[in-house]
Amino acid sequence: DTGVSQDPRHKITKRGQNVTFRCDPISEHNRLYWYRQTLGQGPEFLTYFQNEAQLEKSRLLSDRFSAERPKGSFSTLEIQRTEQGDSAMYLCASSLGSRSNEQFFGPGTRLTVL
Amino acid sequence: QQQVKQSPQSLIVQKGGISIINCAYENTAFDYFPWYQQFPGKGPALLIAIRPDVSEKKEGRFTISFNKSAKQFSLHIMDSQPGDSATYFCAASMREYSSASKIIFGSGTRLSIRP
Repeated sequence: DTGVSQDPRHKITKRGQNVTFRCDPISEHNRLYWYRQTLGQGPEFLTYFQNEAQLEKSRLLSDRFSAERPKGSFSTLEIQRTEQGDSAMYLCASSLGSRSNEQFFGPGTRLTVL
Repeated sequence: QQQVKQSPQSLIVQKGGISIINCAYENTAFDYFPWYQQFPGKGPALLIAIRPDVSEKKEGRFTISFNKSAKQFSLHIMDSQPGDSATYFCAASMREYSSASKIIFGSGTRLSIRP
């Protein structure tokens, strides 16, 4: 399968715990995006990388959120001190720089904070 | 501020009928308008997309109609099938090569096709 993959697919955690999600983009894609989707809503942009550089962050990305893409390949999204309001589907997408509008999404990680 | 407004919120269509979903945008800097299809528990999948220099794009049973002056665009699904039952999102983004290539999504339309 050469699509975008995400791990884990589901995560249940208690409030206050830290969680980390991983995204593996399509291999030749140099841009990687993180979005958050709550129930009944469209995805909302969180942040994006071009290679290893994080170029834009949404105001939705509070100080408790951090994302990395250390070698310009896979990316991690960490949420510290989780809150119930963090419960959502976290989606990763990737695109080829020369055609950056065409973003391909992974299956998402469903986070539930108890 | 909702930059992409989508309607209706839900839609029921008989098998073989035409499904129509409408969207309106505000920011004239948008120059790429994709539609995504999402099944429960899955990520959104790119269905079809259009740029504002054309008024219509057709791929199989799916057609986008685009009205630049009205800042509106719509998705038409011809001969709708039960397998088309999903949530559809219209979206918009800005020019390639810029730092603003994030996608702005509408709120979604839950489409159900009755057999």
